Amino acid sequence: GAGVSQSPSNKVTEKGKDVELRCDPISGHTALYWYRQSLGQGLEFLIYFQGNSAPDKSGLPSDRFSAERTGGSVSTLTIQRTQQEDSAVYLCASSLDSSSGNTIYFGEGSWLTVV
Amino acid sequence: AQSVTQLDSQVPVFEEAPVELRCNYSSSVSVYLFWYVQYPNQGLQLLLKYLSGSTLVESINGFEAEFNKSQTSFHLRKPSVHISDTAEYFCAVSPGGGNKLTFGTGTQLKVEL
Repeated sequence: GAGVSQSPSNKVTEKGKDVELRCDPISGHTALYWYRQSLGQGLEFLIYFQGNSAPDKSGLPSDRFSAERTGGSVSTLTIQRTQQEDSAVYLCASSLDSSSGNTIYFGEGSWLTVV
Repeated sequence: AQSVTQLDSQVPVFEEAPVELRCNYSSSVSVYLFWYVQYPNQGLQLLLKYLSGSTLVESINGFEAEFNKSQTSFHLRKPSVHISDTAEYFCAVSPGGGNKLTFGTGTQLKVEL
């Protein structure tokens, strides 16, 4: 009965470096979401995957951000050439599918600090 | 597109007092409504949701929220709070045809003795 698992839980990186954040959704969940939580900005939607459909990337803030989901399970969010404004908590979530009203379960997040 | 407004960033309240956390939304389509809670150093957890039917929904720990379509509101209430209710509360909406959540900026509830 594992929940959504994210790694690393904390990451400090230097400005300009690339980072990868990993998410392991709840087994059997076909929908996977990435959100960003930062001070003063609340929770922002980034991207979501539903099965084999093309992902909804409408929330990605710039082309430095990308995500992939391999084999319909694990997902990786990549931030290239990190900037200080990328510092935030990156939350991954999953649900059974993307049908309206399905409960979305969140992981505990990956805290990213860019120095 | 949808938007959610939580006007109160912080709400201090004494234990056993009632509390109301306000949430208003804007949408051009029908929506589903949610309240999520984030306890200190923990992830987001679903507290309650409104999909259809009775406009009053309840959680297992005594919170309730009422969907008011005319006022586009989904305020969260509890008649008597406990110290353990101290957390950040997020209101969210998703469009009737999808499951992408749009969140408010959150309300920090601080329960004091």
